[in-house]
Amino acid sequence: AQKVTQAQTEISVVEKEDVTLDCVYETRDTTYYLFWYKQPPSGELVFLIRRNSFDEQNEISGRYSWNFQKSTSSFNFTITASQVVDSAVYFCALSEQGDSSYKLIFGSGTRLLVRP
Amino acid sequence: ETGVTQTPRHLVMGMTNKKSLKCEQHLGHNAMYWYKQSAKKPLELMFVYNFKEQTENNSVPSRFSPECPNSSHLFLHLHTLQPEDSALYLCASSQPLAGTDTQYFGPGTRLTVL
Repeated sequence: AQKVTQAQTEISVVEKEDVTLDCVYETRDTTYYLFWYKQPPSGELVFLIRRNSFDEQNEISGRYSWNFQKSTSSFNFTITASQVVDSAVYFCALSEQGDSSYKLIFGSGTRLLVRP
Repeated sequence: ETGVTQTPRHLVMGMTNKKSLKCEQHLGHNAMYWYKQSAKKPLELMFVYNFKEQTENNSVPSRFSPECPNSSHLFLHLHTLQPEDSALYLCASSQPLAGTDTQYFGPGTRLTVL
């Protein structure tokens, strides 16, 4: 069965520290997609990144970077030089193809608190 | 308006009330989704619509009734809810036929059932 595990429930860091959010997934599919979403206190889930299972290149976008390792079924997310505005709940998700659309299997989320 | 919008943002209702949640997407997508997010629980998929047809009902109680009149609008009709139905209800849309299945979410409706 598809499953996404985010073992870190809450992380607290001081501003400017680097922080890594872990994500481990399980799937029997050979083709799949992985995602990260950010949920600030306002509630909306903001899309951050989508990664195809065939593309293991790490990606960097500003202060954000993602490390995808198929060998360990992990898709970790690092924020460099964290800022207070990064405080949010972060969700990792795995895409599962249904009959005619895709379903997202979400992890339980990691709450990140960045203190000034 | 851009992206995915949801109204109302907050709703308080009694167990005997009937209310509806509305979702509208301005992204030209063909698939729309309802999710429920309860405290301390993972996001739960409730319904999926693709080209106005319901393709997924994740064993949701009948007191939740979805409606998708066109690809841009999605409703969730609520009646005789229970206090445990209090949650954040999130709508999302995607374009699965375009080769990308990224779902874009609205801001959610925070529902409180008294």
